[in-house]
Amino acid sequence: NAGVTQTPKFRVLKTGQSMTLLCAQDMNHEYMYWYRQDPGMGLRLIHYSVGEGTTAKGEVPDGYNVSRLKKQNFLLGLESAAPSQTSVYFCASRSVTTEQYFGPGTRLTVT
Amino acid sequence: DAKTTQPTSMDCAEGRAANLPCNHSTISGNEYVYWYRQIHSQGPQYIIHGLKNNETNEMASLIITEDRKSSTLILPHATLRDTAVYYCIVNNYGQNFVFGPGTRLSVLP
Repeated sequence: NAGVTQTPKFRVLKTGQSMTLLCAQDMNHEYMYWYRQDPGMGLRLIHYSVGEGTTAKGEVPDGYNVSRLKKQNFLLGLESAAPSQTSVYFCASRSVTTEQYFGPGTRLTVT
Repeated sequence: DAKTTQPTSMDCAEGRAANLPCNHSTISGNEYVYWYRQIHSQGPQYIIHGLKNNETNEMASLIITEDRKSSTLILPHATLRDTAVYYCIVNNYGQNFVFGPGTRLSVLP
């Protein structure tokens, strides 16, 4: 099992550009999450999904959109990137009764 | 979900036990206590969780007080590789895990 993978690992964007981060899990987990982590801080939940075709807002959803068209994939989109979105993005997944498993993260810089 | 309070940082000598405290005085009866750690800039790693009984696995032990208002994560023989930020989270298998700033543990040679 690869677990939770994230693509890409690093990305530099200019203000106003768009991009999509991909999270994939091969553990057949129902729940998937997107977090961001700014320097020296804990993780903050952006959006999450409790199953294929469903998404919900977390603590800091503004400026992001998500989609869960397939159970194993959870996409995070930035339609118009801003410097405030410079961060490390982590994806996680879990089943109903297990802990969360995290991906390795994506480092995004918006200039 | 209940809020947790942890010390900002702690030091521990290599080979000694590291005891990391967590206060969760508003925990509900159906909420579990979870511990994760984050080494450098990697994704958080699950360590252990429990409801009210003490738990032990190959990584650590979790001691939960009888009133469940606080807990302690114990790394029995800390190594340099245990240097990380440790997060205490309470959750009832709900959707949202709330990660606070955690405790930065430094294991010193």
